Amino acid sequence: SQQGEEDPQALSIQEGENATMNCSYKTSINNLQWYRQNSGRGLVHLILIRSNEREKHSGRLRVTLDTSKKSSSLLITASRAADTASYFCAANQGAQKLVFGQGTRLTINP
Amino acid sequence: DAGVTQSPTHLIKTRGQQVTLRCSPKSGHDTVSWYQQALGQGPQFIFQYYEEEERQRGNFPDRFSGHQFPNYSSELNVNALLLGDSALYLCASSTRIYGYTFGSGTRLTVV
Repeated sequence: SQQGEEDPQALSIQEGENATMNCSYKTSINNLQWYRQNSGRGLVHLILIRSNEREKHSGRLRVTLDTSKKSSSLLITASRAADTASYFCAANQGAQKLVFGQGTRLTINP
Repeated sequence: DAGVTQSPTHLIKTRGQQVTLRCSPKSGHDTVSWYQQALGQGPQFIFQYYEEEERQRGNFPDRFSGHQFPNYSSELNVNALLLGDSALYLCASSTRIYGYTFGSGTRLTVV
């Protein structure tokens, strides 16, 4: 079963706008990771935030983590058409497995 | 630097048949995990192999089995295929807790 829930399930914005996706999880974690998936292919690792971190940046990506609320958000600034994809959060509870949310389908309109 | 390689990329099987999917991990990675992703869903953990042993298993029936070889490559076997086994099967390699790298997946269709 999926542990995480992502919100919204689908998001459509204009090129150049910012996109925000949210993720909630149910149990304690070591870290939380965000992945991108294009057209049902492999997952590309975007960013990892550890449980003792609150915010992390990587290029146009900004991730926040609130362990008290068991939630995370991914912000993509100045969106581009190439950002069109599905985005998944994945909770890492330990050395073994990632527990994924159901994903947000992001569409960037030119 | 080769990433994770999965084969085949696509596969069509008939109900009741058996299938074997293969995965070569990224160079330097010693742990292989397998995930099943149904259409429109997030990936679900099947199992993970480390040092040729299954280290943890998700909520999948015994029809799903695996193997890891001394060179760290891995196979996923599914017996008695059901229509519901149709999915994208993803392999991920890693070292310790961090550093997951996913392959492009094998699209399995059961008819």
